[in-house]
Amino acid sequence: DVVMTQTPPSLSVAIGQSVSISCKSSQSLVASDKNTYLNWLLQSPGRSPKRLIYQVSKLDSGVPDRFSGSGSEKDFTLKISRVEAEDLGVYYCLQGTHLPFTFGSGTKLEIK
Amino acid sequence: EVQLVETGGGLVQPGRSLKLSCVASGFTFSSYWMYWIRQAPGKGLEWVSSINTDGGSTYYPDSVKGRFTISRDNAENTVYLQMNSLRSEDTATYYCANGDAWGQGASVTVSS
Repeated sequence: DVVMTQTPPSLSVAIGQSVSISCKSSQSLVASDKNTYLNWLLQSPGRSPKRLIYQVSKLDSGVPDRFSGSGSEKDFTLKISRVEAEDLGVYYCLQGTHLPFTFGSGTKLEIK
Repeated sequence: EVQLVETGGGLVQPGRSLKLSCVASGFTFSSYWMYWIRQAPGKGLEWVSSINTDGGSTYYPDSVKGRFTISRDNAENTVYLQMNSLRSEDTATYYCANGDAWGQGASVTVSS
């Protein structure tokens, strides 16, 4: 199984700061169709997860452009510029290239 | 608006069965792969099952293979998860997803 190593496990940031979350996979996530199926999700407190980014860097509809995704092969990053209060929650990376699909362990973002 | 509504959760004894349903609306159900993902209390996310658009292909991780069965009814816009031989470690909130959106989840507790 592909292991997704996500760091850091938690972050505490002030409103307006920028943060980055890393996700490293144990295998390349480039699929046979040349796409890379790496998603980023946010689970806000008491809510179900919501996808923010798919295929490394494509923003879902309605997601602010303060969020950005980058990376390739085995090394990926989610960046949040100008953090807002509504951004708090747990962020997960998810690889959908190899079965079984696997998630990172999550990064809890708290607001100072 | 995309909606995914899971039902069928509850308390069940170890070794017994339970069937979850997820009714979809707001998108062309028959064009989407569908997924079940679970989250044990206070834990991270675990992919449980996938089914392709016509129901002809299904996928499971080893943790549920042989015990869980995913199916779908495209006429009813519904995906199901039949869970047999339930164990305490299957206790979780079960989410259905279409790749873009997630439902609100159904709680399953396996306990005597």
